[in-house]
Amino acid sequence: NAGVTQTPKFQVLKTGQSMTLQCAQDMNHEYMSWYRQDPGMGLRLIHYSVGAGITDQGEVPNGYNVSRSTTEDFPLRLLSAAPSQTSVYFCASSTPRTKNIQYFGAGTRLSVL
Amino acid sequence: LAKTTQPISMDSYEGQEVNITCSHNNIATNDYITWYQQFPSQGPRFIIQGYKTKVTNEVASLFIPADRKSSTLSLPRVSLSDTAVYYCLVGDGYNQGGKLIFGQGTELSVKP
Repeated sequence: NAGVTQTPKFQVLKTGQSMTLQCAQDMNHEYMSWYRQDPGMGLRLIHYSVGAGITDQGEVPNGYNVSRSTTEDFPLRLLSAAPSQTSVYFCASSTPRTKNIQYFGAGTRLSVL
Repeated sequence: LAKTTQPISMDSYEGQEVNITCSHNNIATNDYITWYQQFPSQGPRFIIQGYKTKVTNEVASLFIPADRKSSTLSLPRVSLSDTAVYYCLVGDGYNQGGKLIFGQGTELSVKP
């Protein structure tokens, strides 16, 4: 069972570069979310989606864009990377059919120099 | 969304029972209480979920009093591998899909 798959696992960017973090789930979950986790901190919600074509902002959306063209995929785009975006990024999916228990990917560790 | 409060850290020794309490005074009628465990460099993973009274699975027990304003995660006979951060979340299992806010969590350190 693949579950939630995130790519890449590691990435180093220079300030100002753009990139897309990929997230895919094979559980047919309606809901998907992106979180960031800074060292020694909890998870903060960036963006989330309740279904294909529907996205909304979380706690810390600035500097990030998302889209949800299919149920399976929920990419996160960094428009112009900044050192403050150095973090570990986690994608999660859930469904109301199991009371929204969230299933997380392994994470993408991003460093912006 | 109901705000939760948990201790920042706890220490324990191998073989002891550990109880982590979470306060959620503003819990709504439709809210469920869910606990996650996170090891370093990994994503959080689901441990247990409940609505009221007591829930038990192969990993932990969850105690919820009648007023549901708090909950207690109980880990029986912890081992070194239970060292992790534990998060308590409160949210509607149906209408808040995807929009779940994590708090700071409780960092549990198990010593030999």
